[in-house]
Amino acid sequence: AQSVAQPEDQVNVAEGNPLTVKCTYSVSGNPYLFWYVQYPNRGLQFLLKYITGDNLVKGSYGFEAEFNKSQTSFHLKKPSALVSDSALYFCAVRDRGGADGLTFGKGTHLIIQP
Amino acid sequence: NAGVTQTPKFQVLKTGQSMTLQCAQDMNHNSMYWYRQDPGMGLRLIYYSASEGTTDKGEVPNGYNVSRLNKREFSLRLESAAPSQTSVYFCASSEASSSGRLDTQYFGPGTRLTVL
Repeated sequence: AQSVAQPEDQVNVAEGNPLTVKCTYSVSGNPYLFWYVQYPNRGLQFLLKYITGDNLVKGSYGFEAEFNKSQTSFHLKKPSALVSDSALYFCAVRDRGGADGLTFGKGTHLIIQP
Repeated sequence: NAGVTQTPKFQVLKTGQSMTLQCAQDMNHNSMYWYRQDPGMGLRLIYYSASEGTTDKGEVPNGYNVSRLNKREFSLRLESAAPSQTSVYFCASSEASSSGRLDTQYFGPGTRLTVL
């Protein structure tokens, strides 16, 4: 079975400061890893993914994430937060050898304070 | 190019009523998915269809049925709605689904369902 943990329900960051949203995962094989963002009353929007290759993945809106196999982590980062980054962020995983469909974390509310 | 569309946007049902949630994608994707989102629980996979003509259960399939009508459309049916099925339902699609490969899933705007 595969699982995802997002240990923080909420992260508060001042505008202009760097932000990190944490994600750890568990799969039996090698993972595919994703980050999605959800704005209020909207569907999920894809931010970035790790499939293979470079451990640092760059995505939309200036976000990036670092795949760390030894720590089974895939933390989302941004060097300088914007108020408009405030949203609900989901990490998701799939075992490459597993069945279809993603397993999502519970989500982290990111609040950027002006 | 609308992406993934879902109807209806909102629905209120009484316990025991039935309804079908509709989903369509215009991206020529092979795979389609139904998830439910509940507060504090993230998204959980209900059913998926790896290709036209095939469907498989996900993590929480009880109380639901699905139909992959054609490559574009994937519907979710509640035969006898229960209050525990109050949730936001998301449909998603992705380009390919073969062993060892998964493309990005693209999500619809969701259907907010309340069962009284």
